[in-house]
Amino acid sequence: DAKTTQPPSMDCAEGRAANLPCNHSTISGNEYVYWYRQIHSQGPQYIIHGLKNNETNEMASLIITEDRKSSTLILPHATLRDTAVYYCIVRTNAGNNRKLIWGLGTSLAVNP
Amino acid sequence: KAGVTQTPRYLIKTRGQQVTLSCSPISGHRSVSWYQQTPGQGLQFLFEYFSETQRNKGNFPGRFSGRQFSNSRSEMNVSTLELGDSALYLCASTGQDTDTQYFGPGTRLTVL
Repeated sequence: DAKTTQPPSMDCAEGRAANLPCNHSTISGNEYVYWYRQIHSQGPQYIIHGLKNNETNEMASLIITEDRKSSTLILPHATLRDTAVYYCIVRTNAGNNRKLIWGLGTSLAVNP
Repeated sequence: KAGVTQTPRYLIKTRGQQVTLSCSPISGHRSVSWYQQTPGQGLQFLFEYFSETQRNKGNFPGRFSGRQFSNSRSEMNVSTLELGDSALYLCASTGQDTDTQYFGPGTRLTVL
């Protein structure tokens, strides 16, 4: 069973920030939060991941709450090409059991 | 660096046949994971291979099998195909210095 909860869909105006929430209330201390996105029937694309500190890269920022029970992915200036399904995933134990457990994600529509 | 490649990209088979899908990981990556994606179920983990050994397995019937070669390339096989096996099959590779999985474009299998 997926360990994360995301809204099924969201809208965002082009050029504005897109804030995608994720709830992972049962996350363990050694589990990372990963974000991927999937543009129509292509392979998922890695965006960002974090453990407990906020993270930023060229694609997005990841804000993790202090209790680690939820996080927000921020796309600072959304474009039409950011329209995709966004998946928030917690990774199971490291070592020999590193499979990702996927939910159904958030379908983000960026509108002109 | 070239990304993960999967062949073929599209495949049509009939019930009862078998199929073999191929995945070439990113150069230097030794771990390969396979996922099945269907519209209603999302991404479901099939198995992971590392150094030619299956390290982890999802909850799929024995008709689904895989293997990994010494050059880290991996194949998965599905025997006695059923209509419900129609899906996008995704392969992801992981390097030793990171736990991030990078996905290929997938193979779209249609079973008639």
